[in-house]
Order: sequence, then structure tokens, then C-alpha cells
Amino acid sequence: NAGVMQNPRHLVRRRGQEARLRCSPMKGHSHVYWYRQLPEEGLKFMVYLQKENIIDESGMPKERFSAEFPKEGPSILRIQQVVRGDSAAYFCASSTGQLSNQPQHFGDGTRLSIL
Amino acid sequence: AQRVTQPEKLLSVFKGAPVELKCNYSYSGSPELFWYVQYSRQRLQLLLRHISRESIKGFTADLNKGETSFHLKKPFAQEEDSAMYYCAILGRGYNKLIFGAGTRLAVHP
Repeated sequence: NAGVMQNPRHLVRRRGQEARLRCSPMKGHSHVYWYRQLPEEGLKFMVYLQKENIIDESGMPKERFSAEFPKEGPSILRIQQVVRGDSAAYFCASSTGQLSNQPQHFGDGTRLSIL
Repeated sequence: AQRVTQPEKLLSVFKGAPVELKCNYSYSGSPELFWYVQYSRQRLQLLLRHISRESIKGFTADLNKGETSFHLKKPFAQEEDSAMYYCAILGRGYNKLIFGAGTRLAVHP
């Protein structure tokens, strides 16, 4: 089991472009979480998805950010019209069930840099 | 509000010295707390959680509800313990972790 796979590891975009970050959960995991880490800060929860459903998006900015976890394929975090403040490390995690019972496994993250 | 505070950005000790990484939390109700570790060039991984009351790699952490703390301790630090350590609390709804800013532990020979 390769664990949670995120790609790309590094992504550079110019202001105004779109950024697409991908996350393939561990085999057998149907729960996916996205976190953002700004420099010198801890990971901040963004969104929690189960297959084809957004369960909790309370940490997502209201505009330009969206996430999906289709029936087939990886989860995608999409940032439209990127700005400098979007520069951060974006981490994906997955679990088999609720976090009170199941551990959360993290990917290596995607480092997004905005020029 | 649910919050986790790790007051030290960097903790520097010599090999063999005791280590205590501080973590304080703000949460009403019964919290579930965790310590995650990230070694150089590796992904974030769970070190321990308070409900399992276990010792991993010589580390222990005790939940002190009176002081709202969950400090991570090890009696004798090793060089391989050098890493970033994050304290986290399970948020309401059990569908997200709330992380502290992290403490970098540097263990010198």
C-alpha cells in the first residue's frame, strides 16, 4: 500500500491562473481531508469529503476554492484565479471512517508557489 | 473556540537530556488529543493519542484536564528524535483535526 499519494509535489502558478491539486487516498479509504499550512503555522482544516459528497467545508474560503472526490479517480482541490496569499503547503489525508475510531494518514503534500 | 497552542517554536536539547514539548488546548467537553511527528523528508505521522495511553519511541503524554494540557515527554532524548512535532485535537463532529503551530525539536550530540 503506497499510502496517500499527492501530486504534484511542487506546483508553480502565476497570479490569475488555476491550480489543481490531486490526492489519491490509501486503498480502502473512502474519507478524504484537505488541510492547508501557511509558513510558520500549523495545518488548518479545509474540507472533508466522502465519495461524491462534501461533508464539511467549513474551512474552505468562500470564493475561488472548490473540492471534489468523484466516484472514480482522485480527490481534486481546485483553486481558481490564484493570488500570492494562496502560496502554502496543501496536505491531503485519508481514513477508513470517523476519526474518533480510525487514524488519519497523510500524504507528502503539494507545495504551491504563486509568482 | 477550539484551539491548540504550542508555545515553543524551537526546543533545543542535548542527547540524553529530558524533553518536554508543551501543548495547551481550548475545548469544551471531552477532548481527544494527538501528537503527530514529521521527520525530515517524511510525511506527517501519528505518534500517539491520549486515549490509547501508550508509549511510542519512549514518548508519553498525559492529558491534564485541569490545566488543559497534553505535554509530550521523553526522559532521554535521542538524536533521531529531531523532528517537527504537532499537537492536535479532534474537532467537533469528529471529522477534522485542529493542529497547533508545531515545535521543532533539535537534539544535539
